Amino acid sequence: NAGVTQTPKFQVLKTGQSMTLQCAQDMNHEYMSWYRQDPGMGLRLIHYSVGAGITDQGEVPNGYNVSRSTTEDFPLRLLSAAPSQTSVYFCASTADRGFGYTFGSGTRLTVV
Amino acid sequence: SQQGEEDPQALSIQEGENATMNCSYKTSINNLQWYRQNSGRGLVHLILIRSNEREKHSGRLRVTLDTSKKSSSLLITASRAADTASYFCAEQMEYGNKLVFGAGTILRVKS
Repeated sequence: NAGVTQTPKFQVLKTGQSMTLQCAQDMNHEYMSWYRQDPGMGLRLIHYSVGAGITDQGEVPNGYNVSRSTTEDFPLRLLSAAPSQTSVYFCASTADRGFGYTFGSGTRLTVV
Repeated sequence: SQQGEEDPQALSIQEGENATMNCSYKTSINNLQWYRQNSGRGLVHLILIRSNEREKHSGRLRVTLDTSKKSSSLLITASRAADTASYFCAEQMEYGNKLVFGAGTILRVKS
């Protein structure tokens, strides 16, 4: 099915570990974004990209890295996990800024 | 924070009633979008209204936009139990490429 695929769906990390959250879309969308969702705070933008090779910071970029080597993939790297990064992470994509975004089903991350 | 605000935070109504959710935003926008999130799921795009539009309809949804007050409202008419979800507004900034979300309204429709 066409859409945004996020893996893994669940992950438990120990403090200080690193990992990569995967995001792939098969709709040839140029725009891709990563959000984290915490209770009572809605979605906060971590990083976003407007095309392959182009990335920029959102509202809460510290502790996260991204790259966009292809149109399809936009991985999010946690460099050294901290308990404050416990959250649900969503990846989203759109063809252009004048259109709605398609969201993945999320990755629930717990850092202990 | 660049996040806008939504009002009310939570809303409980009976099936068949109308539900109105309000959103205030902070920047000049290219468009404003509304999304629905069912518990534990990803967000689903509902409707987009551009900065030069004042009202838009999609099925039982009606969205208004007042750029002078930097506010928008989402009306769901003849609500159903299946409309129970969280609803978020999101502002696409006029300059730049960020889509910034509000904190959301939790809607419960009782059958």
